[in-house]
Parts: sequence; structure tokens; C-alpha cells
Amino acid sequence: GAVVSQHPSRVICKSGTSVKIECRSLDFQATTMFWYRQFPKQSLMLMATSNEGSKATYEQGVEKDKFLINHASLTLSTLTVTSAHPEDSSFYICSAKKAIQGSKNIQYFGAGTRLSVL
Amino acid sequence: LAKTTQPISMDSYEGQEVNITCSHNNIATNDYITWYQQFPSQGPRFIIQGYKTKVTNEVASLFIPADRKSSTLSLPRVSLSDTAVYYCLVGDGTNAGKSTFGDGTTLTVKP
Repeated sequence: GAVVSQHPSRVICKSGTSVKIECRSLDFQATTMFWYRQFPKQSLMLMATSNEGSKATYEQGVEKDKFLINHASLTLSTLTVTSAHPEDSSFYICSAKKAIQGSKNIQYFGAGTRLSVL
Repeated sequence: LAKTTQPISMDSYEGQEVNITCSHNNIATNDYITWYQQFPSQGPRFIIQGYKTKVTNEVASLFIPADRKSSTLSLPRVSLSDTAVYYCLVGDGTNAGKSTFGDGTTLTVKP
């Protein structure tokens, strides 16, 4: 199997606080993890690519100082939303890439984190 | 990154076979085609992946023509629980393995 655990599943916070979201690959090592953001009734939007031991690569328009990504080990990546504001309220989803022999890498997704900033 | 185009929505009835087609005219030689299913407030779930011809697993089949400019996900005998959004992704040939999600197809299965 390929299980990706994302925690917390839901968080409600006050404006100005920081929120950390964890993404763990439970039964495989992931050199690359991805962070997405999804607004209601819209598709997933890639925010950044997280590589173990190096700095994350952010997509155009995504503030790296706002969304801090750390990928300290082969099984854990974290996304910290700093000084969160109501417009940061969204559904955040991580994925981890698993290499399978005979096919290209497949992304396995966490269950997502619903962030609500008051 | 190859852009994908899918129908926005499809309706079906329980027990029917559903075919969802995705266009990806700019697919690169090294790109694979991967399909995901997403339920509301959940992360996408891997369904199937292919490179060319036909791939079948326990839940679906994927048909890819020789020119690879499109692909068709086939769901046999759908049930109400198959109501979800289905995404086709093309990628991993370049750009560090990242893929871009298109708009997806919302499948509604009716009783």
C-alpha cells in the first residue's frame, strides 16, 4: 500500500496566528512531496514542490515567506501558514510521490486539511 | 506541462459503464497518464495509470490510442458511491515530476 497521513484534518484559528500542517508517508519513502490548495468547487492548485533536504520550489504567485515548507526527512514534510488571514482559508492537500517499478512515479494524497481563519 | 481537457460533468445510472475521455494534445514522450478520484473534502485517490494501449486493474480500465493525445477512463457498472470528481493528469516527464490538475469531470450516478 501507499498511505499518506495528513494532520490536522481541520483547524480553526484567529487571524494573525501561524498554523502548521504535517504530511507523512507511512509506508514508503518520499523524496518529493507536493502541496496543493483547493477552493470550493475548484480544482487543486499546486503551491509548491518539496524535496527532502533542499529548499522547496514554489509556483508562481505563491509567497514562500507566507507558506513555509520544510521537508526534513524522507517521510515528513510540513507546511506552515504564517500570520494567517481569512483569505488563507482553504483546503490544503499534500501528496507524496512513490516510485513503482515499470511505471512513472505516482502521487499519493493525504486526506487534506480544512483551514478556517477567523 | 501538458494541458488536459475533460468534460465538466457527466450523468449516469447505477449499473452502467461510464467512459470519461481526456484530451492531452501536448503530451510529451516521457509523460504518463494518471487518473484520480476525489470525493468532497477528501484528498484525491489514485485510480489507474498508463502510458499506451490498454491498462486494467480491479476498479477501472484505461484506454490510450497510439497517438496518446487522449485517454479514456472506463468504469464498469458504476454505483452511487462512484459519484465524485475524476481528474486526468499528464506528467512526470519533466518539471521534477509535477503535474497540473485540470478542471476534472464531475460524475453523478443516479439510482
